[in-house]
Amino acid sequence: DIQMTQSPSTLSASVGDRVTITCRASQSISSWLAWYQQKPGKAPKLLIYKASSLESGVPSRFSGSGSGTEFTLTISSLQPDDFATYYCQQYNSVTFGPGTKVDIK
Amino acid sequence: QITLKESGPTLVKPTQTLTLTCTFSGFSLSTSGVGVGWIRQPPGKALEWLALIYWNDDKRYSPSLKSRLTITKDTSKNQVVLTMTNMDPVDTATYYCAHDDYGDYEGEAFDYWGQGTLVTVSS
Repeated sequence: DIQMTQSPSTLSASVGDRVTITCRASQSISSWLAWYQQKPGKAPKLLIYKASSLESGVPSRFSGSGSGTEFTLTISSLQPDDFATYYCQQYNSVTFGPGTKVDIK
Repeated sequence: QITLKESGPTLVKPTQTLTLTCTFSGFSLSTSGVGVGWIRQPPGKALEWLALIYWNDDKRYSPSLKSRLTITKDTSKNQVVLTMTNMDPVDTATYYCAHDDYGDYEGEAFDYWGQGTLVTVSS
C-alpha cells in the first residue's frame, strides 16, 4: 500500500505569509495527487487536482507542484479565510495524508 | 447544481451493521466517468477513504476494511448505499459521501461533498 505523509503537522503563520506544505508518497505516484482544505465542522473542499491543476473557483494564491514522491501546496499570501487543515490525497489507492493544520501565529 | 446528503442512524451498537444512504442530485450515476465515494473522519482525526462505486458498477474498497463493506447504487433513485458490518466504537466518525468525476480529473478526486453524518458506536 502507498503511504502518504505530510509536513509539518501544524504550521503557525500570519496573514500575508507565504506558506508551503509538503506531502510525500512512499512510492512514485506520478502526478496523481489532490489537495483539499477543511475547516472545522465542514466537509473538505477540493483545491488542486493532478498535482498542479487549480480547481475551478479556487483563488489563484493556491498552487500545487511536484511529481513522483514529493509534492507541495503553496499559499502565496495567506488570507484570514485560509486558516484550516489541508490534506493531500493520492488518486489510485485513494489514500489521504494525515493533514496539516494552519493556524494563526 | 450538484448536491449530496448522507442519511442513516446516528447511534449504533457494537457488532451491529451500519447502513448509510447518500442521496444526490445534479448528476446521474449512469453518466460515463462518474463515481460516488464514501469517506469517514473520526473526531479530531484525518480523513479515511472507505469505498467507491462508478457509473459502470465497478466497485472499489479500502483494503483494510474490505471484508466489512458493501457499496451499491440505485440509479433510478439517485442513491448510493454503504453497509458496514460488525461496528465497533473505533468506527465512531463523521461519514461523508462525495462525487468523483473520473473523466474530468483523470482519477479519484472528490469535487462535491455531502455535509457528513456523525455516527456514534456505543452500547
